[in-house]
Amino acid sequence: KQEVTQIPAALSVPEGENLVLNCSFTDSAIYNLQWFRQDPGKGLTSLLLIQSSQREQTSGRLNASLDKSSGRSTLYIAASQPGDSATYLCAVSFNFGNEKLTFGTGTRLTIIP
Amino acid sequence: DAGVIQSPRHEVTEMGQEVTLRCKPISGHDYLFWYRQTMMRGLELLIYFNNNVPIDDSGMPEDRFSAKMPNASFSTLKIQPSEPRDSAVYFCASSLAPRTRNTEAFFGQGTRLTVV
Repeated sequence: KQEVTQIPAALSVPEGENLVLNCSFTDSAIYNLQWFRQDPGKGLTSLLLIQSSQREQTSGRLNASLDKSSGRSTLYIAASQPGDSATYLCAVSFNFGNEKLTFGTGTRLTIIP
Repeated sequence: DAGVIQSPRHEVTEMGQEVTLRCKPISGHDYLFWYRQTMMRGLELLIYFNNNVPIDDSGMPEDRFSAKMPNASFSTLKIQPSEPRDSAVYFCASSLAPRTRNTEAFFGQGTRLTVV
């Protein structure tokens, strides 16, 4: 079964620190992986999309990496800010030609001022 | 573009009633997705359309659920009759092209459904 796991479920970090969020998936034959942010009561905002041929993507203070062989992706957030507090979701497209995204259960991040 | 627009934002209904959720995708997007989010199961794909045609409805939980896309700018998800276990947040998303071309999916704000 193709599954996506995110551990820990919740994380609290003092403001200004760098942090890493983890995502693991069971099948290395992925097509791409996407990181989303979800604020309470809101929809999902796409942060970064990594193609299977790529090792990392960067956007501002965010850097996402992908290691297909180990079935892992990380989202690195530099110089964290209170506004970064949200739930971060990892989603994987496992099969070529299949538009389905399989989501992890998310990591709820709290940045402590 | 205003993004993916869903209505209503909140819906409270009694068990047994029909519920219709609505979605307007981003103009020009070829794909439309309906997802459901619950605490227990997280985000799950229910059904998706390509050019208004349903492609994969394997995630639709029961025959009580149905979805239509009569044109490129409108889709509905209907539950009839509704049950308390249908309570969840329902998201609509759209994308410009198949994910095989590595394009992102854009999500609406969701409809929070409560069935009492």
